[in-house]
Amino acid sequence: GENVEQHPSTLSVQEGDSAVIKCTYSDSASNYFPWYKQELGKRPQLIIDIRSNVGEKKDQRIAVTLNKTAKHFSLHITETQPEDSAVYFCAASMAKIIFGKGTRLHILP
Amino acid sequence: DAGITQSPRHKVTETGTPVTLRCHQTENHRYMYWYRQDPGHGLRLIHYSYGVKDTDKGEVSDGYSVSRSKTEDFLLTLESATSSQTSVYFCAISEWDTKEGNIQYFGAGTRLSVL
Repeated sequence: GENVEQHPSTLSVQEGDSAVIKCTYSDSASNYFPWYKQELGKRPQLIIDIRSNVGEKKDQRIAVTLNKTAKHFSLHITETQPEDSAVYFCAASMAKIIFGKGTRLHILP
Repeated sequence: DAGITQSPRHKVTETGTPVTLRCHQTENHRYMYWYRQDPGHGLRLIHYSYGVKDTDKGEVSDGYSVSRSKTEDFLLTLESATSSQTSVYFCAISEWDTKEGNIQYFGAGTRLSVL
């Protein structure tokens, strides 16, 4: 069935360094790839997304890249800050959406 | 936050009892979803709806049923709750289209404990 693999499951980076989270998906029909951030005890919230006709998208300190041929997409966070500490989920979507298992990002002081 | 209300927000019940969770939206979005979230498993889709009376199964639908009699309400029912259904349940809505994608907005979640 459809599957989204996300790595790593936990990531610790020094404040100010960059963080990269990678995902692969199995359904070649997927055409929309969102990333969600979930802070402790809160609901997931969309932080950035990319559509299958685009290879890269940036929004301030975050960027997402997509390689449709390899079925890979990645989230890049630069100049990390304490408020970036959270769980991040990737997803691949048509009408229904399949989420990765999440990456817990720790920003170390 | 989008107009999504989940009720109840917390519930404790006993094994074997029926439980219904409600998701109510004021956005008139066509698509509604129920997910469960468990440590190490992320968000897993239980069921979703693409219109009134139109529903489909997700990846973990066993033991759950849903109903959507109005655009604004999507109910999730556990006919006979089991301890393995202890989880946090999230409802989401979207107005999916092929151009814009499937941007999902989540409710605040319902924490369900089955003892």
